[in-house]
Amino acid sequence: AQRVTQPEKLLSVFKGAPVELKCNYSYSGSPELFWYVQYSRQRLQLLLRHISRESIKGFTADLNKGETSFHLKKPFAQEEDSAMYYCALKAPPGNQFYFGTGTSLTVIP
Amino acid sequence: DTGVSQNPRHKITKRGQNVTFRCDPISEHNRLYWYRQTLGQGPEFLTYFQNEAQLEKSRLLSDRFSAERPKGSFSTLEIQRTEQGDSAMYLCASRDPGLAVTGELFFGEGSRLTVL
Repeated sequence: AQRVTQPEKLLSVFKGAPVELKCNYSYSGSPELFWYVQYSRQRLQLLLRHISRESIKGFTADLNKGETSFHLKKPFAQEEDSAMYYCALKAPPGNQFYFGTGTSLTVIP
Repeated sequence: DTGVSQNPRHKITKRGQNVTFRCDPISEHNRLYWYRQTLGQGPEFLTYFQNEAQLEKSRLLSDRFSAERPKGSFSTLEIQRTEQGDSAMYLCASRDPGLAVTGELFFGEGSRLTVL
């Protein structure tokens, strides 16, 4: 069965400090992984996807198949990064999206 | 296009009543998903449509839940004989299969249900 685990429900870092939000997945096939973000009073939206190997708002995430991880990283956290972050796995059947329980990131000024 | 639209945004009902939520996806998106989100949890998959066809239903979707997408455009999610455990945020999302490489889901703002 497919599963996404985000071990940290809450994470606080100081502005300018590095931040890493952990995500581990369980899937026997080739995973498609995403990070979604929900800012206060806004809808859930895509932050980045592993297939694009992109950096969005300074965030990057590398897929590590050996460790079955897709951790989200940013070298210097900003106050506007405070939000709820969800890791998601897209997998058959039906190409459903399976979401983790989310990590609430607070960046302290 | 204002994105995925859901209504009502909030619904308070008494246990045993029926409720219906509506989702209007982005117009060119033929795939539509319903998710449920409870406090402290991530979105949990309920069901998914490709055009008007309901292709998959989660085991979370008991027989009190029914979803339709009659013309392949908007969708409704009905909950009959509501229970307190149905209290949650119900999220709708749509996707454009032409963006299959990106696989991005576009979410609505959700419909929050409170069952008293």
